[in-house]
Amino acid sequence: DAGITQSPRHKVTETGTPVTLRCHQTENHRYMYWYRQDPGHGLRLIHYSYGVKDTDKGEVSDGYSVSRSKTEDFLLTLESATSSQTSVYFCAISGTERSGTSGMGTDTQYFGPGTRLTVL
Amino acid sequence: RKEVEQDPGPFNVPEGATVAFNCTYSNSASQSFFWYRQDCRKEPKLLMSVYSSGNEDGRFTAQLNRASQYISLLIRDSKLSDSATYLCQSGGYQKVTFGTGTKLQVIP
Repeated sequence: DAGITQSPRHKVTETGTPVTLRCHQTENHRYMYWYRQDPGHGLRLIHYSYGVKDTDKGEVSDGYSVSRSKTEDFLLTLESATSSQTSVYFCAISGTERSGTSGMGTDTQYFGPGTRLTVL
Repeated sequence: RKEVEQDPGPFNVPEGATVAFNCTYSNSASQSFFWYRQDCRKEPKLLMSVYSSGNEDGRFTAQLNRASQYISLLIRDSKLSDSATYLCQSGGYQKVTFGTGTKLQVIP
């Protein structure tokens, strides 16, 4: 399995509080992604990164910000959490200079275990 | 219209049956396609890539139809353990889109 971890795995917070989710990889992949998954909507891209300090918006970026100061870490921040941000958040990695190593492709997504966030 | 569309199901099939899922995509420039399997309350995991020439892995066959812009996944001799949600991915890197997933329930 790809070396991707997410923390925390579960979080309950109140409306209006800031929340930061962390994604950590040990695979040296260039691309990292944050998705949210909700019933009826599937996986929706929030933000992605194509290198250190290089990030861009996805489909549902409003209310979220990201940062990537190191190759291995990608942070997702909800500046002021709302109930509509209750969801399961997945981090994913893609692309490597070592294509073919360990059977990993370059376009495929390898997901972390997810973070269940509840905003009350 | 969503960029990638899947029938959400559920598909309820008996053990041993053959079942097929389709996934339509709207971006004709997409070059990469994949199928993932997601178990309940788990992360999606790569099932197989979809190549222009088709791809087979045991009981699973994936195909790409560029003319009609869809990919398909065929599961033969369904097992109880195949029960899961199957998601398709179109595109890669900066242009990745997933379908909403198709739920499969294999019944004894």
